[in-house]
Amino acid sequence: AQSVSQHNHHVILSEAASLELGCNYSYGGTVNLFWYVQYPGQHLQLLLKYFSEDPLVKGIKGFEAEFIKSKFSFNLRKPSVQWSDTAEYFCAVKPHGSGNTGKLIFGQGTTLQVKP
Amino acid sequence: NAGVTQTPKFQVLKTGQSMTLQCAQDMNHEYMSWYRQDPGMGLRLIHYSVGAGITDQGEVPNGYNVSRSTTEDFPLRLLSAAPSQTSVYFCASRGIGEQFFGPGTRLTVL
Repeated sequence: AQSVSQHNHHVILSEAASLELGCNYSYGGTVNLFWYVQYPGQHLQLLLKYFSEDPLVKGIKGFEAEFIKSKFSFNLRKPSVQWSDTAEYFCAVKPHGSGNTGKLIFGQGTTLQVKP
Repeated sequence: NAGVTQTPKFQVLKTGQSMTLQCAQDMNHEYMSWYRQDPGMGLRLIHYSVGAGITDQGEVPNGYNVSRSTTEDFPLRLLSAAPSQTSVYFCASRGIGEQFFGPGTRLTVL
């Protein structure tokens, strides 16, 4: 079955520290990849997306992610986090191919806590 | 554009009660979906629709019904609420390249 795995469930960083959140998926075909962010009490917002162009994708608020096809990974990075980055982060995959009908499959989420 | 709207924002039900969570979008998107969000489990797809009159089951459809009579609306019905359905429910609609989420409904079943 198709699945998405986020290895870090809870990450605590100090401001200005670098961030990398892992995301791996299990699907051998073509995929679109997404990172969503959910700030406390709010709904999900798109951070960035990969749609088969440059494997290094830049998103909003200084976030970026790199698609490594051979590793089935799409890790999220930010060189210097801020207190306002405290949120829950979700990786999602949209597999292509017959029978997939465009469904998004989400990872379990990673809670990021940034200490001022 | 209002985007994706959901009502109510909060709801408390007793076991066995039924209710409908409303979802509407004004972006003329064909694809709409319902997710539930539970701690440590991410978002799980309940039902989805690829257009008016067409619905299908997602990962966790049991206990929920949907219908799609118009492009704009995609209500989610709980037939007989159970404590296991206590969760936050998100409706989403998908345009080209991006899925837009509603603000969510926090449901508690006692």
